[in-house]
Amino acid sequence: EVQLVESGGDLIQPGRSLRLSCTTSGFTFGDHDVSWVRQAPGKGLEWVGFIRNEAYGGTAEYAASVNGRFNISRDDSKSVAYLQMNSLKTEDTAVYYCIRGGAYYDYWGQGTLVTVSS
Amino acid sequence: EIVLTQSPGTLSLSPGERATLSCRASQSIWSSKLAWYQQRPGQAPRLLIYDASSRATDVSDRFSGSASGTDLTLTISRLDPGDCAVYYCQQYDTTPWTFGQGTKVEIK
Repeated sequence: EVQLVESGGDLIQPGRSLRLSCTTSGFTFGDHDVSWVRQAPGKGLEWVGFIRNEAYGGTAEYAASVNGRFNISRDDSKSVAYLQMNSLKTEDTAVYYCIRGGAYYDYWGQGTLVTVSS
Repeated sequence: EIVLTQSPGTLSLSPGERATLSCRASQSIWSSKLAWYQQRPGQAPRLLIYDASSRATDVSDRFSGSASGTDLTLTISRLDPGDCAVYYCQQYDTTPWTFGQGTKVEIK
């Protein structure tokens, strides 16, 4: 069974940093791109970015709203992906979903809540 | 950035009726790199349709998708109470990938 489990969500002050983890199982992690999508409370879905698998260079793409502040990485030996979030803003408050895939999204985690507030 | 605009905002129908959800793109997406998701309250989104008209695994054949130029359509035939959810369209033709703002389907 394919599973993705996010962790690391927290209440954090503006300007601080936070790293989310996405622990996966049930599939060959290294064969797949991994994406992050977020959803602010009561709002719609917003694409954050994704990281390609190593066969395609392991490079990442980001939304303009997070580019330069967020970094997506992966550890294929552990089947884990990360979302490093720096210089957090109140508008980054959202549930962050980790997803298998870089285009359309067939398997989602349950999400982890990040609240940015002073 | 490709903007996706969904209509209507809310759709209220009776069980057994047919629902037609629209999603208009700000530019043509001829590659058909379009998807639809269902999000029930308190749950993560679920993939329904990808590549504009291909149903995802284990998705009922009551759900169908189509696309033409800038217009995408998700049709739910024979509405079931379990279809109460917010539905989102998504394009993955040109980065940044974008989502529509969602259509809420209510069952009377």
